[in-house]
Amino acid sequence: QSALTQPASVSGSPGQSITISCTGTSTDIGGYDYVSWYQQHPGKAPKLIIFGVNFRPSGVSDRFSGSKSGNTASLTISGLQAEDEADYFCSSYTSSITLFGGGTKLTVL
Amino acid sequence: QVQLQESGPGLVKASETLSLTCAVSGYSISSAYYWGWIRQPPGKGLEWIGTFYHSGSTYYNPSLKTRVTISVDTSKNQFSLKLTSVTAADTAVYYCARLRVMTSPFDYWGQGTLVTVSS
Repeated sequence: QSALTQPASVSGSPGQSITISCTGTSTDIGGYDYVSWYQQHPGKAPKLIIFGVNFRPSGVSDRFSGSKSGNTASLTISGLQAEDEADYFCSSYTSSITLFGGGTKLTVL
Repeated sequence: QVQLQESGPGLVKASETLSLTCAVSGYSISSAYYWGWIRQPPGKGLEWIGTFYHSGSTYYNPSLKTRVTISVDTSKNQFSLKLTSVTAADTAVYYCARLRVMTSPFDYWGQGTLVTVSS
């Protein structure tokens, strides 16, 4: 199984919205609604922000939302804030395996 | 509140075995849930290593399967990772984490521990 594909970087200005894509195949993202997203600040452990494609854990801002179309999942962050600057990783379950994306660095301009 | 804490040598020689332990507090790992290991090479993405269920089922990354063993010590409420024949490519921050079921995300993570493989 190959890692999921994410853009290396995205950027946006405060208040704007950005979307990060995560592309897999019909046997992972396309085959299950088990897509998750993690936020990671430098030197910290990843933090779960989206699970089950579009569900937020308690305490996660509603500015974060997820979606999926075919073999591609997306994370949208609306109303960008400086604190959103971090690395973002997607993940998907497939056949008793957990796959991660390569990560996307979000820069808030 | 579940807490996980990794521990082990920060430096391992090439060709030797990397051994790490994850101590869990706030929940008994023999009760339920799945527990796993993930690693992150410096400046790179996350890589799933493996996951186990308290009853004994284990699941490993196919690319690491021949070198990885995850085991559990319920008496100490901790689980361990062994990775044999390490190379510089195994240098990474190693995280332990919890999943509710195999299809769910990792919801609780340890702080991570850096392991460097020296030649």
